[in-house]
Amino acid sequence: SQTIHQWPATLVQPVGSPLSLECTVEGTSNPNLYWYRQAAGRGLQLLFYSVGIGQISSEVPQNLSASRPQDRQFILSSKKLLLSDSGFYLCAWSASVAYQPQHFGDGTRLSIL
Amino acid sequence: AQSVTQLDSHVSVSEGTPVLLRCNYSSSYSPSLFWYVQHPNKGLQLLLKYTSAATLVKGINGFEAEFKKSETSFHLTKPSAHMSDAAEYFCVVSRLDGNKLVFGAGTILRVKS
Repeated sequence: SQTIHQWPATLVQPVGSPLSLECTVEGTSNPNLYWYRQAAGRGLQLLFYSVGIGQISSEVPQNLSASRPQDRQFILSSKKLLLSDSGFYLCAWSASVAYQPQHFGDGTRLSIL
Repeated sequence: AQSVTQLDSHVSVSEGTPVLLRCNYSSSYSPSLFWYVQHPNKGLQLLLKYTSAATLVKGINGFEAEFKKSETSFHLTKPSAHMSDAAEYFCVVSRLDGNKLVFGAGTILRVKS
C-alpha cells in the first residue's frame, strides 16, 4: 500500500533563517505531488503542484519554493523565513489520473519567532 | 469555476445521535466530490469519494454521503456519533483540470458525552 512521510512534525525557526521540509511517498510511481499551507481560520491553500521530476507549478507568489529531485520526493524551501510563513504545512499525493483523491501526510507545524 | 459551501462552521451533537454535515457544490460539469476528516495537528484523511457511480457513497468509520444533482448537495451523515468523531470535516470538489481540489471552509464537529 501507499504511504506518505513528512518531516519534521514541528519546527521552530527564527525570522530570516532558511527552511527545508521534506516529503516522500512510497508504494506508487509517478504520483502528482502537492504542498499546502493551512493557516488558522483560513482553510487550505495550495502552494505548489508537481506532475513529474523537475516540474513545479506555483499557485501563489510567495517567499517559498519547491523542488522535486526524485519521482517520489518533494521539498519545500525558503532562503529567508518571514513571520507570515508560520502555519501548518501539508504534503499530499494523488495518482497521475484525473479526478482522483489526494492523500495527505501528517503535516509540519512551523512557528517563526 | 467550481466551488464548495459548507453550510455550518460548527455542529454539536450528543454521543449516539445522528450526524449531518451539509455541503453544497457548484460545478459546470459532473464533479468528483470528497469528504475528508482532520483531527487536531494531523493531516487530512479521506472519508469517502463520489466519482459518478452510485449516488449513495459509503465511507470509513460508518460515514456515508448522498450525491443529489438536483439540489447540488453532497451531505455527510452518520447514524450514531462517537466521541472519536470529534474533528474538522472538509467537503471537497475536483477542479476542472482534474488534478487539483477546491476545499470547503470546514465544519468542526463537537460530540458531547
